Amino acid sequence: AQSVTQLGSHVSVSEGALVLLRCNYSSSVPPYLFWYVQYPNQGLQLLLKYTTGATLVKGINGFEAEFKKSETSFHLTKPSAHMSDAAEYFCAVSSGNTPLVFGKGTRLSVIA
Amino acid sequence: SAVISQKPSRDICQRGTSLTIQCQVDSQVTMMFWYRQQPGQSLTLIATANQGSEATYESGFVIDKFPISRPNLTFSTLTVSNMSPEDSSIYLCSVMVGSSTDTQYFGPGTRLTVL
Repeated sequence: AQSVTQLGSHVSVSEGALVLLRCNYSSSVPPYLFWYVQYPNQGLQLLLKYTTGATLVKGINGFEAEFKKSETSFHLTKPSAHMSDAAEYFCAVSSGNTPLVFGKGTRLSVIA
Repeated sequence: SAVISQKPSRDICQRGTSLTIQCQVDSQVTMMFWYRQQPGQSLTLIATANQGSEATYESGFVIDKFPISRPNLTFSTLTVSNMSPEDSSIYLCSVMVGSSTDTQYFGPGTRLTVL
């Protein structure tokens, strides 16, 4: 079975500050890891994914994440937060061609 | 990727009634899924919609409550039957496309309120 734990249901940062959203996973097989963003009253948009290869992956809107197998982590970062980054962020895991298992989500607030 | 549309986008329904949600994709997809997102919660997989056969339901979800159809490779429906206020959620269709079977794309969701 696979699972995802997102540390912090709500993260608040100042505009221009570093964004760090934490995600730890559990998987008995090599994981495929994803970050999705959900803006208010909208569906989910894929930010980035890790499948194989390079462990540092870059996504849209300046976000990136690093797969650390030894720490079973896939934390999401962005060097400088924008007001438009305020949204709900979901980390998810799969084993490749299986349905995603989601974490509980982290709501990011950006303070002017 | 794929362009996914859902109908209706939102609805308010009375207790005891049923609602059918449609999911249409602009290209043939390999796999289709239905998720539920309860208010303030994460996404929970309801079932995998299988083309031409019965859907595969996750634990806690049954066909009598959530019948699913998938008549072809671009279309699926989810029915929420005999609704109660606890069914108030966002229901999302999700697909895997072509050879990119490691990535799921999501529709905009259907926001359901049951009174």
